[in-house]
Amino acid sequence: AQSVAQPEDQVNVAEGNPLTVKCTYSVSGNPYLFWYVQYPNRGLQFLLKYITGDNLVKGSYGFEAEFNKSQTSFHLKKPSALVSDSALYFCARSRGSSNTGKLIFGQGTTLQVKP
Amino acid sequence: NAGVTQTPKFRVLKTGQSMTLLCAQDMNHEYMYWYRQDPGMGLRLIHYSVGEGTTAKGEVPDGYNVSRLKKQNFLLGLESAAPSQTSVYFCASSPGTEYSPLHFGNGTRLTVT
Repeated sequence: AQSVAQPEDQVNVAEGNPLTVKCTYSVSGNPYLFWYVQYPNRGLQFLLKYITGDNLVKGSYGFEAEFNKSQTSFHLKKPSALVSDSALYFCARSRGSSNTGKLIFGQGTTLQVKP
Repeated sequence: NAGVTQTPKFRVLKTGQSMTLLCAQDMNHEYMYWYRQDPGMGLRLIHYSVGEGTTAKGEVPDGYNVSRLKKQNFLLGLESAAPSQTSVYFCASSPGTEYSPLHFGNGTRLTVT
């Protein structure tokens, strides 16, 4: 079955340090991959996506993600974390190899950035 | 530009009661979706629509019905609420083009007692 795994429930980093939020996906075709962020009492906001091509994808708010086909991973990264980056982050993949919005989400990772 | 608007924001139901959640988008998007969010489970797709007058089942459709009579609105109905339907419900929309991301509403927190 198609799936997305986010192995860490919570990631803690100090402000100014680099951050990584991990995501792995099940191998099934050539999926589209996404990262979304959710702030308290709000809906999810799109951060970035991987469709094809360059393995390093740049997105909103200074975030980037590295696609690694051999490891079936799509980790979210940022060189220097901000306290305002504290939120819940979701990795998602398309169902199959088409993007019709029928996404499969990971369980989410809470990012806590401390001053 | 409001984007995706969900009403109500909060609701408490007793087991067996019914209700309808309303989603409205003002972006002229073709596709609309209902997801539910539960702790530790991410978001799961309930139903979706690829255009006015169409609906289709998602991953967890049981106990829910939907309608899309107008392009801008997508309704989610619970005919007989159960405690297992306690969740946060999110509506989303997208243009339906190949690489388009989803635009989410702010959610409806539903508690069934």
